[in-house]
Amino acid sequence: SYELTQPLSVSVALGQTTRITCGGNNIGSKNVHWYQQKPGQAPVLVMYRDTNRPSGIPERFSGSNSGNTATLTISRAQAGDEADYYCQVWDSSTGVFGGGTKLTVL
Amino acid sequence: QVQLQESGPGLVKPSETLSLTCTVSGGSISSYYWSWIRQPPGKGLEWIGYIYYSGSTNYNPSLKSRVTMSVDTPKNQFSLKLSSVTAADTAVYYCARAAAAKDYFDYWGQGTLVTVSS
Repeated sequence: SYELTQPLSVSVALGQTTRITCGGNNIGSKNVHWYQQKPGQAPVLVMYRDTNRPSGIPERFSGSNSGNTATLTISRAQAGDEADYYCQVWDSSTGVFGGGTKLTVL
Repeated sequence: QVQLQESGPGLVKPSETLSLTCTVSGGSISSYYWSWIRQPPGKGLEWIGYIYYSGSTNYNPSLKSRVTMSVDTPKNQFSLKLSSVTAADTAVYYCARAAAAKDYFDYWGQGTLVTVSS
């Protein structure tokens, strides 16, 4: 089965830029979606099909996908960005999520 | 604004069947794919499967033998049944919408915690 690998945790200083990676075999050939989940809340879509921001998501969020790594970049990090982030793809007809990355804003 | 709301028992006994319903409001259930996704306490997300409004289904191979999904279009609802549950099935269960079969989940329910315990 297809696996997605994310770092368990990432930290960023307030106002700085951070990158959350999602590794998978030839993931660049797939559409990658990203979700933000705050404690006690449902996940929220923050990036779809690699590089597209849903309405209401700040321009500070951007995405890329190439080779074996997809990346979610958060610029000018704010305290409100602190959350768990999950990448997601479809492998054949099965939905697959990464293990999640806890982002801490210092 | 589309809203999804999960409902069902919060406690299920081991070996019994977990049953949940997701009610869609603010939009039609037609022409979309409706998924169930779960999250064990303190862990990550797991996709369980989806059902199209027409009734066609696709399940995660890891759960396929125990999962049944159904849709009630007039009521704008879809449902999940998971049989022979164990403590490992304890999780928050979310329903979610996707516009296409292999696409992103744009709307999610708030989630409902189901505990498997005697």
